[in-house]
Amino acid sequence: GIQVEQSPPDLILQEGANSTLRCNFSDSVNNLQWFHQNPWGQLINLFYIPSGTKQNGRLSATTVATERYSLLYISSSQTTDSGVYFCAVDSRRNKLIFGTGTLLAVQP
Amino acid sequence: SQTIHQWPATLVQPVGSPLSLECTVEGTSNPNLYWYRQAAGRGLQLLFYSVGIGQISSEVPQNLSASRPQDRQFILSSKKLLLSDSGFYLCAWHGPSEAFFGQGTRLTVV
Repeated sequence: GIQVEQSPPDLILQEGANSTLRCNFSDSVNNLQWFHQNPWGQLINLFYIPSGTKQNGRLSATTVATERYSLLYISSSQTTDSGVYFCAVDSRRNKLIFGTGTLLAVQP
Repeated sequence: SQTIHQWPATLVQPVGSPLSLECTVEGTSNPNLYWYRQAAGRGLQLLFYSVGIGQISSEVPQNLSASRPQDRQFILSSKKLLLSDSGFYLCAWHGPSEAFFGQGTRLTVV
């Protein structure tokens, strides 16, 4: 089946710093999403981005489908950005395959 | 807008006891529904999915079962819990371009 790898696995930032999270996938996909899981476990959809670039406030994402990777950019990080960031891809069988996540800790 | 209700939020159950977790969806009809488990650590493992009433697909062999008695209701069950069933369980609805998750149930089997 399709493999989804995320890097780095852990990241510690000082408030105000920028970061880039990466998601690599092993096969072509027709759906790629980024999620944020807050410290209470709630998963929130950040971007639906099977290709191209999108921006939402301090967050932006880029997917290069032909090279099978996606990047999530966080600028001017805040403590509320802490949590786990997942990318997930659709295996074309109505199922999302999740990566192992990046645990982000933003320190004041 | 779509809303997913999942309960209870936390649960502590003894080994060998039964389990029933319920998930209901509002704001959509004939949704594709999913149960995931997140063990200590990070990854989400897909357990079951359903594309309609009475239709259940199991992704991994385990001590759990799922049922979909109504269009917007998805239930995760076990007849006898094992210690290894502990984890964080999430119900989800997937649309064409988005996925919505319930708030999760943190299950501890003791």
